[in-house]
Amino acid sequence: GAGVSQSPRYKVAKRGQDVALRCDPISGHVSLFWYQQALGQGPEFLTYFQNEAQLDKSGLPSDRFFAERPEGSVSTLKIQRTQQEDSAVYLCASNTLGESTDTQYFGPGTRLTVL
Amino acid sequence: GIQVEQSPPDLILQEGANSTLRCNFSDSVNNLQWFHQNPWGQLINLFYIPSGTKQNGRLSATTVATERYSLLYISSSQTTDSGVYFCAASGAAGNKLTFGGGTRVLVKP
Repeated sequence: GAGVSQSPRYKVAKRGQDVALRCDPISGHVSLFWYQQALGQGPEFLTYFQNEAQLDKSGLPSDRFFAERPEGSVSTLKIQRTQQEDSAVYLCASNTLGESTDTQYFGPGTRLTVL
Repeated sequence: GIQVEQSPPDLILQEGANSTLRCNFSDSVNNLQWFHQNPWGQLINLFYIPSGTKQNGRLSATTVATERYSLLYISSSQTTDSGVYFCAASGAAGNKLTFGGGTRVLVKP
């Protein structure tokens, strides 16, 4: 079946612009995660949804970052007033059961470059 | 939160060689996964292995939960095995994965 998909794959923004990144999880997956991967580093957790409920947003680096999943399926990560330090790959992952004891499947990521 | 450390940070292999990658974690885990990140950035699931041993072709993994480490074995390496290997774990407190710094593997023909 289809895996996790993300769009756009690449995004170039001028400093100060707002961006929106989309994630389509695997159909039927309860949980959805966003991670940020800086160049040469491992991914770092941003936020977590179980269905439409955002249960953990402890990793969001500032109040410029906002995520939503209004119908418990597709999710959007929005970054307002982008800064150069926001340049990174943004990865989305989903899993079936909404439990920690479950494999997370990752999308291909959106590479954001802020000029 | 849980800490995850990987070693070595870099590994250069001749095609056909075997290798072992290590992942140490600081606390009990409910989830431990090994990933291969290919040159295009895609994280490919290799193993879900919070405990025990699994094998998939030339790859195998062992997690000794009581001693808080996991090992990934690559046998008869091929150039397509090149890339970055990540270990990631989540503890009892939640679902989010904490990633190690990765092992960058280069297999030379």
